[in-house]
Amino acid sequence: GESVGLHLPTLSVQEGDNSIINCAYSNSASDYFIWYKQESGKGPQFIIDIRSNMDKRQGQRVTVLLNKTVKHLSLQIAATQPGDSAVYFCADSGGGNKLTFGTGTQLKVEL
Amino acid sequence: DTAVSQTPKYLVTQMGNDKSIKCEQNLGHDTMYWYKQDSKKFLKIMFSYNNKELIINETVPNRFSPKSPDKAHLNLHINSLELGDSAVYFCASSQAGTSTDTQYFGPGTRLTVL
Repeated sequence: GESVGLHLPTLSVQEGDNSIINCAYSNSASDYFIWYKQESGKGPQFIIDIRSNMDKRQGQRVTVLLNKTVKHLSLQIAATQPGDSAVYFCADSGGGNKLTFGTGTQLKVEL
Repeated sequence: DTAVSQTPKYLVTQMGNDKSIKCEQNLGHDTMYWYKQDSKKFLKIMFSYNNKELIINETVPNRFSPKSPDKAHLNLHINSLELGDSAVYFCASSQAGTSTDTQYFGPGTRLTVL
């Protein structure tokens, strides 16, 4: 079946370094992708989104890259801070009105 | 001001009991959702309502019954609780429920069935 998956379950980075979290999707009808951040004990929080007619979108310290050829999505966090420690999810609308979430990547920021 | 709120935050109960989780959003959104997050953090949609009308109903046991008294509230009632129901349940809302609407999540309700 269609799925949204992440390559790495855990990512450890040094404070100040850049982080890259990857996501693969398989639904070729997907036209909208979202990254969420979930801190411990809290609900997922929207970070950034991108539509399929774009290949890059930038926010504050975050950049999302979309490669539709290989169905790959990545989230880049510049100058990673301790407050960035969380589980990051990619989600895919699949062309419909239902979000399918990936399995999540735990980002750990080491001081 | 809390945008999406849920009560209770923690719920511990025995197998076979019936329980409810409440959700309210003050964002003026038309669409609300219930998600289940398992112990491996996998997040899966259960239901969505648009302006009190059921839109999405995933393959969820009929022991789970959502109720939307108005578009600002979506409650989740669970009958005959089972061990496998233990999870964190998240409510969310979005403006119109289209594929490009941002969904805003509540803080979650951790349900533990003993």
